[in-house]
Amino acid sequence: GDSVTQMEGPVTLSEEAFLTINCTYTATGYPSLFWYVQYPGEGLQLLLKATKADDKGSNKGFEATYRKETTSFHLEKGSVQVSDSAVYFCARTGNQFYFGTGTSLTVIP
Amino acid sequence: GAVVSQHPSWVICKSGTSVKIECRSLDFQATTMFWYRQFPKQSLMLMATSNEGSKATYEQGVEKDKFLINHASLTLSTLTVTSAHPEDSSFYICSAIDRGNYGYTFGSGTRLTVV
Repeated sequence: GDSVTQMEGPVTLSEEAFLTINCTYTATGYPSLFWYVQYPGEGLQLLLKATKADDKGSNKGFEATYRKETTSFHLEKGSVQVSDSAVYFCARTGNQFYFGTGTSLTVIP
Repeated sequence: GAVVSQHPSWVICKSGTSVKIECRSLDFQATTMFWYRQFPKQSLMLMATSNEGSKATYEQGVEKDKFLINHASLTLSTLTVTSAHPEDSSFYICSAIDRGNYGYTFGSGTRLTVV
């Protein structure tokens, strides 16, 4: 069935380090793919999205490319900041909206 | 952009009482809204799909008599947790589809604590 598999956390990085959070999805049809961010005590905010193969979503220095051949949508950022500390969810459309389990990121000064 | 307002943002209630959570689409009409539950350090689990003017569709394992959903208008869906117990304590989030922009917009969530 439709699902999303996301890299387990927690992830702890130093400020200005490079970030990668892996996400793969099951390939039934051509879903749209999303990354959501949840800051402490808040709801989900859309970070970026891609609706078709080879699309690159980007926002606030974060990027993710829709890779049909590897069914992946890995999240990357070249230089993380303390303010990026949050939980990140990969998601896809399908019969319903499917979320990964979330990856907690802590960036230390 | 599409905005979904969820209220209250947090609530503490006594065991056995009922709590109502509201989800409003502020600048678009949402024929379909979704209710999710998030357990600590886990992902969001879809509880039910709320359809305007008709009965909600509940996911397997979700008690429809305990989690009452009403979607009486194109901009409002409510989730009522009836006879709440401590195990119902969780973070509840609603979302709505903005078909104009083809996007799922999420509310800010409600932290329910049952004591």
